[in-house]
Amino acid sequence: GAGVSQTPSNKVTEKGKYVELRCDPISGHTALYWYRQSLGQGPEFLIYFQGTGAADDSGLPNDRFFAVRPEGSVSTLKIQRTERGDSAVYLCASSPTPGEQFFGPGTRLTVL
Amino acid sequence: GQQLNQSPQSMFIQEGEDVSMNCTSSSIFNTWLWYKQDPGEGPVLLIALYKAGELTSNGRLTAQFGITRKDSFLNISASIPSDVGIYFCAGDNYGQNFVFGPGTRLSVLP
Repeated sequence: GAGVSQTPSNKVTEKGKYVELRCDPISGHTALYWYRQSLGQGPEFLIYFQGTGAADDSGLPNDRFFAVRPEGSVSTLKIQRTERGDSAVYLCASSPTPGEQFFGPGTRLTVL
Repeated sequence: GQQLNQSPQSMFIQEGEDVSMNCTSSSIFNTWLWYKQDPGEGPVLLIALYKAGELTSNGRLTAQFGITRKDSFLNISASIPSDVGIYFCAGDNYGQNFVFGPGTRLSVLP
């Protein structure tokens, strides 16, 4: 069956620009998570959705980061006024129940 | 916030050897999970542990949930070249506060 998919796989942008990263979870998974992973480190939690609502957004680093999941399926992570420090791999995961998360391949974001 | 520590940071082993790695935390978790990540891919779940003291196997992999709920170990028996990668432990509290360790990088020498 289809796993978690993320688009684009790579995104290069200029400092100050706006970017959107998309996640298509596994069908039927109610929980969806976004993480950021820098080189040589483990994934860092950003936000967790249960259905359409953000159950925990405590990992978002600042108000330039925002995520939505309007219909409880696809989610979009939005980053405004990108900075070079935002460069990382952004991972999405979905889960049928709390705990066991299935990850997508990630979007590699490079801010020049 | 909660942090996990993994040891060793990296290891080189001969093919066929057994591997052991640990994960510790200053906080209690209700679930411990072990993931493997290959270059350019997302982490893949290997084993999930739900009860303190639980010992679970998945093929050549064995993991245990520490009795204090603050640690876990992962063992790999008879390592093979495809075991190469980064192994992450993660702690979870009912789907929230999901925290990953920094990873253990495993390299297998033929």
